[in-house]
Amino acid sequence: EADIYQTPRYLVIGTGKKITLECSQTMGHDKMYWYQQDPGMELHLIHYSYGVNSTEKGDLSSESTVSRIRTEHFPLTLESARPSHTSQYLCASSELVNGYTFGSGTRLTVV
Amino acid sequence: QQPVQSPQAVILREGEDAVINCSSSKALYSVHWYRQKHGEAPVFLMILLKGGEQKGHEKISASFNEKKQQSSLYLTASQLSYSGTYFCGTAGGGSNYKLTFGKGTLLTVNP
Repeated sequence: EADIYQTPRYLVIGTGKKITLECSQTMGHDKMYWYQQDPGMELHLIHYSYGVNSTEKGDLSSESTVSRIRTEHFPLTLESARPSHTSQYLCASSELVNGYTFGSGTRLTVV
Repeated sequence: QQPVQSPQAVILREGEDAVINCSSSKALYSVHWYRQKHGEAPVFLMILLKGGEQKGHEKISASFNEKKQQSSLYLTASQLSYSGTYFCGTAGGGSNYKLTFGKGTLLTVNP
């Protein structure tokens, strides 16, 4: 049973469009993350948040932005999608000394 | 800095054992291990904290050598369900959060 939800699961969109990837968790975790992963490759941290109104950029430079207005919600927005943004985006949350719980991911294709 | 995993890939027959290594050039506070099956999100296996003991989960266990900044994942009597890509994630600076992941080890278990 998933406690962290991502929508949409798949998205094909044209170049220049604005998109928002949704991520919500029901566990009350303060810490949330966005990772980008190409097929068969490692996960790259692009954004993270340690709590409401706290967001930081990750190790991989990204043109996306995030917001954290509520504990349970951590959406990622691309103002103008480009083919280079084609990838899988994974949202995760964590607390204390437990591991990450990942969402099912959004597979984004920009044409 | 990205941890280094070895080997990159390993093929086993059911019932055989395997060891996957993860090393870092910086001081680590924690090491996480995850398994990701094709088309799915990574699943948390275990976490090892600085100063902590070796952890175990069913027939999968792991160790953390603080002096060498290395962790090893041990899979004994492998099962078909163990197939997937194993990632280690490391955190430093006294924090358990904001993981940096290795490139992964593809484990294939054949009948």
